[in-house]
Amino acid sequence: QSALTQPASVSGSPGQSITISCTGSSSDIGSYNLVSWYQQHPGKAPKVMIYEVSERPSGVSDRFSGSKSGNTASLTISGLQAEDEADYYCCSYGGSSTYVAFGGGTKLTVL
Amino acid sequence: QVQLQESGPGLVKPSQTLSLTCSVSGGSISGGAYFWTWIRQQPGKGLEWIGSISYSGRTHYNPSLTSRIIVSRDTSKNHYSLSLSSVTAADTAVYYCARGVEIPIASVPNWFDPWGQGSLVTVSS
Repeated sequence: QSALTQPASVSGSPGQSITISCTGSSSDIGSYNLVSWYQQHPGKAPKVMIYEVSERPSGVSDRFSGSKSGNTASLTISGLQAEDEADYYCCSYGGSSTYVAFGGGTKLTVL
Repeated sequence: QVQLQESGPGLVKPSQTLSLTCSVSGGSISGGAYFWTWIRQQPGKGLEWIGSISYSGRTHYNPSLTSRIIVSRDTSKNHYSLSLSSVTAADTAVYYCARGVEIPIASVPNWFDPWGQGSLVTVSS
């Protein structure tokens, strides 16, 4: 059982926007601005898309954005494209005992 | 550009020890504020952080696995390793090595980039 809770799946049509939520607790997401998001295509290694809640690494499209409210972080993808179809994982600093917590992952389907 | 590459046996017998090595090129594992990390993904499942070793040699382990894990490094070869003992079928997974960026306030890894391509390890007799 993952420490962070994500919806199992989301879907959207090309051009639309979707948001994936990641719910933790006051011990992790709620206390630190240290949430990252990863995109994973089948058979490939994960790729970081967002770090520290809303920062985008160099080379990542500005269609990807992150935010946080309370114990829940969110990843928004605007202008959906077929290539965005993948699994997405959130990750957070889990405090001094857990250190690193991942969400269970969300499968994004582009209709 | 830092690159990571996992290597090790693809098949391990139950109760034995799984050993993997991550070779790092394009950067030193003893430089910078990074944690050299192991993450695994069981078939059809999500990502699970296993453990990390810092640029100074400090280690952090997943509390659920800590009794069976050792993460070590060889700075002369610029690689780091994972040892997971007493394996069972539940340890069958793709094992990734990844570079973790340090959280200054806590000296632990935060976000991970880049990643190796992954190494499938099957536990079976």
